[in-house]
Amino acid sequence: GNSVTQMEGPVTLSEEAFLTINCTYTATGYPSLFWYVQYPGEGLQLLLKATKADDKGSNKGFEATYRKETTSFHLEKGSVQVSDSAVYFCALSESNTGNQFYFGTGTSLTVIP
Amino acid sequence: DAGVIQSPRHEVTEMGQEVTLRCKPISGHNSLFWYRQTMMRGLELLIYFNNNVPIDDSGMPEDRFSAKMPNASFSTLKIQPSEPRDSAVYFCASSLTRDNQPQHFGDGTRLSIL
Repeated sequence: GNSVTQMEGPVTLSEEAFLTINCTYTATGYPSLFWYVQYPGEGLQLLLKATKADDKGSNKGFEATYRKETTSFHLEKGSVQVSDSAVYFCALSESNTGNQFYFGTGTSLTVIP
Repeated sequence: DAGVIQSPRHEVTEMGQEVTLRCKPISGHNSLFWYRQTMMRGLELLIYFNNNVPIDDSGMPEDRFSAKMPNASFSTLKIQPSEPRDSAVYFCASSLTRDNQPQHFGDGTRLSIL
């Protein structure tokens, strides 16, 4: 079946530190992969996506590369800011599931000045 | 552009009362999803619709929960009777039913059952 595994949180970093949030997936076919961000009191917002192997999604300084050989889609940012404090969700969808998404459990990030 | 609109944003009610949550998807989107988010269980898919037809309701916790989508621009999630353990944030999301399309989330309804 389909599933997503994210690294456990919470993660606390100092401003300007390097961020990595690990995500690995299991899928029966050829999934698309997504990262969503949730700020306090808000819904999930799409951060970036990649639709095939070796694609790199990027947005707002965040990047993630679709690695089929390691079934991974790790989120990275070179220099985090206080405003990046949020919960980050990795997700996959497969075309044979009617666009149903499979979400990871979320990783809480706190950036301190 | 209008996003997914949910109402109410907050609901506080007493145990045993009927609760109705509402969702207006993005115009043109033909898939709609209802999720529940709690600290203990994280984000759970309750039910989803394609072209107004329920496709998978296996995530609906029990018969007290029901969802309808009478037309392409409106959906409801109803809990009757409500219980304290139903307290959670309920999200609605919509998308195009095509490969690689992201889901777009509303801001959620924070439900508290006393």
